[in-house]
Amino acid sequence: DAKTTQPNSMESNEEEPVHLPCNHSTISGTDYIHWYRQLPSQGPEYVIHGLTSNVNNRMASLAIAEDRKSSTLILHRATLRDAAVYYCILRPRMEYGNKLVFGAGTILRVKS
Amino acid sequence: EPEVTQTPSHQVTQMGQEVILRCVPISNHLYFYWYRQILGQKVEFLVSFYNNEISEKSEIFDDQFSVERPDGSNFTLKIRSTKLEDSAMYFCASYARGGNTGELFFGEGSRLTVL
Repeated sequence: DAKTTQPNSMESNEEEPVHLPCNHSTISGTDYIHWYRQLPSQGPEYVIHGLTSNVNNRMASLAIAEDRKSSTLILHRATLRDAAVYYCILRPRMEYGNKLVFGAGTILRVKS
Repeated sequence: EPEVTQTPSHQVTQMGQEVILRCVPISNHLYFYWYRQILGQKVEFLVSFYNNEISEKSEIFDDQFSVERPDGSNFTLKIRSTKLEDSAMYFCASYARGGNTGELFFGEGSRLTVL
């Protein structure tokens, strides 16, 4: 499974943007970049995913480097509810239902 | 919004007892998964299930574990003879092949405590 590298933890102020980085230098051409998060005492929750182009949805934006060796999850205005562990995961050929492999993720703390 | 439901939310059992954790995946989904998370550790993949058979399993998923989709709606994880180290949160997930979001939907988890 292709590996990702994320900072152990980050801190943000409420209502400010947050940029969560992820390095994936060994990404292959068929790997999709997925982001999930896990709120305290809950199951993982999908945030966003992309292949080559930047993506936006109601939760966040995903900026993918041109060489695809890194990506950044952007939360436009952090709220206290966004405090969670954020996982950057490479998922090959997702049309075959391949599993997600979770790393340690980034613990995001949001200060009021 | 569709959701994956899991029961029980918490089960306490004695070492050596059999445990069955139940999951109701989202109805039109085709792929099903079990993950576990020991307290303070990573979410670990256990097994994936497609077309009524195991498609992939991890080293954790040994002969003590089994999965079943008995009636087309439930998806169960059985641990035959529980050990202390099986204490963890167990998450079920499901996935719709060809879904636009590529999203795995996870349940809220079942906490298993083995005494």
